Amino acid sequence: AAGVIQSPRHLIKEKRETATLKCYPIPRHDTVYWYQQGPGQDPQFLISFYEKMQSDKGSIPDRFSAQQFSDYHSELNMSSLELGDSALYFCASSLDAYNSPLHFGNGTRLTVT
Amino acid sequence: GEDVEQSLFLSVREGDSSVINCTYTDSSSTYLYWYKQEPGAGLQLLTYIFSNMDMKQDQRLTVLLNKKDKHLSLRIADTQTGDSAIYFCAGAQNRDDKIIFGKGTRLHILP
Repeated sequence: AAGVIQSPRHLIKEKRETATLKCYPIPRHDTVYWYQQGPGQDPQFLISFYEKMQSDKGSIPDRFSAQQFSDYHSELNMSSLELGDSALYFCASSLDAYNSPLHFGNGTRLTVT
Repeated sequence: GEDVEQSLFLSVREGDSSVINCTYTDSSSTYLYWYKQEPGAGLQLLTYIFSNMDMKQDQRLTVLLNKKDKHLSLRIADTQTGDSAIYFCAGAQNRDDKIIFGKGTRLHILP
C-alpha cells in the first residue's frame, strides 16, 4: 500500500541557511500534518493543512513556513537555521473521513552544523 | 489541551507479554493511538481505538481503554526481540485534530 513519502531522507545545512522539506501524502488524503522530533524527544506538532488551507498551528517558529499545494503535497520551509533545529521532521496524512487515522512518513533528518 | 503520560522504560523477557500503560487528561479525546518507533526510523501506526470502544485486538496486540480512569494500555503477547522499540501513546480530540504524543515507552527485551 502507498505510504507517506518524505524527501529528502537526510539533509545537512549550515547555520543561517535555508531548508525545504517535502511531503507527499497517501493518495486521496487531504490533510497533512508536520511534526518535529528532537533527539530523545516525543514528536511535537508544528502545523497542519486541510484542503490546502492551514487548519491548525502548534509550536512552529516564525522562521518556518509551510503550505499545501493543489496536488495535496506539502512543503515545510525553514529559514535562518539554528543548531536547535536539528531534528527529525515527520509528515503525516489522513483522510477527512470517519475511521481514518494519521499515517506518518519515515521523516527527514535535518542536521544543522 | 491534551496531556499524555506514559512510563519511560519497560523490560520484558522474550516470550512474555508486555503491557505498556498510558494516561491522558482530556476526557473528550475521541481517538487514541499507539505508534512504534524503531531506532532511527519513522513512526509506525500499530493500532488505534475510538473512545466508544473498550477493547480492540489485532493479532498479538490488545488495546484496552478505561474511559473512567482515562487509561489506555497496549498488550503485546509473546514479545519478540523485534518488538524492541519506543512505543508512543497519542490522543486526539477529533479525527482531523492534531494528535498529542506521550514521551514514549522504551521497550527492552531480555533474552
